[in-house]
Amino acid sequence: AQSVTQLGSHVSVSEGALVLLRCNYSSSVPPYLFWYVQYPNQGLQLLLKYTSAATLVKGINGFEAEFKKSETSFHLTKPSAHMSDAAEYFCAVSVPESSASKIIFGSGTRLSIRP
Amino acid sequence: SQTIHQWPATLVQPVGSPLSLECTVEGTSNPNLYWYRQAAGRGLQLLFYSVGIGQISSEVPQNLSASRPQDRQFILSSKKLLLSDSGFYLCAWSTGGNQPQHFGDGTRLSIL
Repeated sequence: AQSVTQLGSHVSVSEGALVLLRCNYSSSVPPYLFWYVQYPNQGLQLLLKYTSAATLVKGINGFEAEFKKSETSFHLTKPSAHMSDAAEYFCAVSVPESSASKIIFGSGTRLSIRP
Repeated sequence: SQTIHQWPATLVQPVGSPLSLECTVEGTSNPNLYWYRQAAGRGLQLLFYSVGIGQISSEVPQNLSASRPQDRQFILSSKKLLLSDSGFYLCAWSTGGNQPQHFGDGTRLSIL
């Protein structure tokens, strides 16, 4: 069965520092993976998606994620944090046997940016 | 381009009152549609999904129901709200397969 685990419910970095949000997945088949961002009182916005075309995926707002099969990881990074990056981030994996395109979400990581 | 609309943005209802939240999608045909609930500080819980008009699948037993009267319209309802129904309700759509879901802006529901 598919699942994702996000390590660290809260991450705090200084403005300008590297952002690293960790996600490990479990999947019985080659996975389709996603990162979403949620700002307060808003819906989830797709940051990027991995669909097996390339292991390094670039997304919006300067974020990228690298798919590592050997480590079953899909960590999200950004070289230099900006105050506007403060939000909740969710890693997710698709459920391949579902005709309804169901997605399993991680529990989320709240990113705080220190001035 | 595709857009998704949810309304209302916020709602305060007394215990025992009915509920109707609406979600519509524009710019696509025959989307898969989803209702999620997000409790404060928690992750997302899938409540219902639909792959077509009149086709509703429920993920968890609860005090809520869903309907899809039109291809791009998804409605979340309750006959009598409970305090435990409070939360942030999100509607989403997808084209199917392994494609991502796209979310509306959500409805903040408070039960008094």
